[in-house]
Amino acid sequence: AQKITQTQPGMFVQEKEAVTLDCTYDTSDQSYGLFWYKQPSSGEMIFLIYQGSYDEQNATEGRYSLNFQKARKSANLVISASQLGDSAMYFCAMREGPTYSSASKIIFGSGTRLSIRP
Amino acid sequence: DADVTQTPRNRITKTGKRIMLECSQTKGHDRMYWYRQDPGLGLRLIYYSFDVKDINKGEISDGYSVSRQAQAKFSLSLESAIPNQTALYFCATSDFRGHEQYFGPGTRLTVT
Repeated sequence: AQKITQTQPGMFVQEKEAVTLDCTYDTSDQSYGLFWYKQPSSGEMIFLIYQGSYDEQNATEGRYSLNFQKARKSANLVISASQLGDSAMYFCAMREGPTYSSASKIIFGSGTRLSIRP
Repeated sequence: DADVTQTPRNRITKTGKRIMLECSQTKGHDRMYWYRQDPGLGLRLIYYSFDVKDINKGEISDGYSVSRQAQAKFSLSLESAIPNQTALYFCATSDFRGHEQYFGPGTRLTVT
């Protein structure tokens, strides 16, 4: 079964609009972490934001925020005021288990390609 | 200088050849990872290591082996390359908290 599901293979958004990228996850662990990464056409992986399973507040980093709904097992990325430079692939990822455990690996979803229209 | 480097950046090899991809990091992190990326499949974990003496298999370890030569170095080997191992390979590191991974630039491997 897929652990990380990103149901939007591609999205088009008008510049300056807000955009929400969906991510749902599946784990039976109580301790886990959720990540979002951006991959522009140049290929590098850029870390955007992290949310721990015990964090009560939604994580925010500049224009990025993570809408964490634990009961629904969703961790959507919200980008406010989108810019042309936001056009890229976006990956949701999850670390299962506590960070100190050597069984704690990080796995990725299949990604969403976001295109910003001028 | 980049914190995580990968060599080579591009490689074309023939079926059956042995090939090694190397990864070095200057972040002082204990944890290192190897992923492969195929179109439409995202990143899949091949192997990961939490320190020099700790190596763990990921989702797709068959056909691959790794060596953690030092805290800063983590190599991925394909003992006998096959065409479906053609992919983009990423090395990554993280600290003990695991709150962020730092990725290398990737190695594009083509097996003909």
